[in-house]
Amino acid sequence: GGIITQTPKFLIGQEGQKLTLKCQQNFNHDTMYWYRQDSGKGLRLIYYSITENDLQKGDLSEGYDASREKKSSFSLTVTSAQKNEMAVFLCASTRDNNQDTQYFGPGTRLLVL
Amino acid sequence: QQQVRQSPQSLTVWEGETAILNCSYEDSTFDYFPWYWQFPRESPALLIAIRPVSNKKEDGRFTIFFNKREKKLSLHITDSQPGDSATYFCAASEDYNQGKLIFGQGTKLSIKP
Repeated sequence: GGIITQTPKFLIGQEGQKLTLKCQQNFNHDTMYWYRQDSGKGLRLIYYSITENDLQKGDLSEGYDASREKKSSFSLTVTSAQKNEMAVFLCASTRDNNQDTQYFGPGTRLLVL
Repeated sequence: QQQVRQSPQSLTVWEGETAILNCSYEDSTFDYFPWYWQFPRESPALLIAIRPVSNKKEDGRFTIFFNKREKKLSLHITDSQPGDSATYFCAASEDYNQGKLIFGQGTKLSIKP
């Protein structure tokens, strides 16, 4: 078994601010993902990484940066927060870059004032 | 362009009835279709998945029916229980695409006791 932790749980930012979200997993999984979930909508892929120091853009990468510093951690940066933005950012991981089960973290809830 | 579509957006059935959730997709190269469920204030988790080599996958009260020709699949939940109340996401991926999942917008299922 393993666990994915995301910090912070809640994030309140100001318009134009640069905000960083962190994700850690102890599954020893190779691939990690960042998704955005808006209320009443599905999950949209922002970035993913198949190994340490690898980065791949998802469909929603504009406005975000990511960093895979080591195998167990994957960070996401909102480069310029948009006013009234409200969403949940979910981190996930899989054993490899194949069609394996994705395990999700508890999420970071973002609110931009 | 929405590559994976789900209907209905929300569904209410009585306890004990069969709930049917629908999903369709655009890309004929998709070859893996997982369903994730998400309970309120929790993260998504894998429920059941199917590959096109089969047209049916069963796991207890949950069954996926798959129609490759029409690019449609459905999730049937028999003997629905109040504890099945959740949002259900259909997703799809291609074998060569590094595990990238395309999620539908979800169906919010409510089971009335």
